[in-house]
Amino acid sequence: KNEVEQSPQNLTAQEGEFITINCSYSVGISALHWLQQHPGGGIVSLFMLSSGKKKHGRLIATINIQEKHSSLHITASHPRDSAVYICAVFSNTGNQFYFGTGTSLTVIP
Amino acid sequence: AAGVIQSPRHLIKEKRETATLKCYPIPRHDTVYWYQQGPGQDPQFLISFYEKMQSDKGSIPDRFSAQQFSDYHSELNMSSLELGDSALYFCASSSAGTYYEQYFGPGTRLTVT
Repeated sequence: KNEVEQSPQNLTAQEGEFITINCSYSVGISALHWLQQHPGGGIVSLFMLSSGKKKHGRLIATINIQEKHSSLHITASHPRDSAVYICAVFSNTGNQFYFGTGTSLTVIP
Repeated sequence: AAGVIQSPRHLIKEKRETATLKCYPIPRHDTVYWYQQGPGQDPQFLISFYEKMQSDKGSIPDRFSAQQFSDYHSELNMSSLELGDSALYFCASSSAGTYYEQYFGPGTRLTVT
């Protein structure tokens, strides 16, 4: 049983396309993180959300606490956005993260 | 702004050797978490420390140990390395009371040959 489900698992887009990655979770959370990991690289935290919406450059993250769902949007996608995007939730009943399996994004020039 | 620092960034060891990974949290963060991410796998929580005391334990093998020092940096010691220990080890830091707001380090990629 996965506490965090992401979709799609793999995504290929043309440069400039609008991209959406979805995350659904089943546990009560204190916060949700969207993480980015480039091949062979470390993890970068893009957003931490507990409600509403956040925007940073071409990236937008939203969360609906009632529906236990979050989305990560990338506008005007670029090849350098190619990476694995991971949704991670911090449980409010246990001191731990639950990680999604990641979405592998490839943006083609 | 200062971020979480990990060293070394890459490490190659042979089977049965030992390895020590270091994590330096963001200034004024007193809590450190260690995670292991095997090839193509989800990150797995290993262990965490708060104020130099172990606060939570996950799937950390008995061959591994960790500690947090007075300057809040943490070290993960790995002995009798096995091929299956090859992974990305990353740490995160937070401050007490906002433990869900973790900042992740770049990771140490350990390769056991």
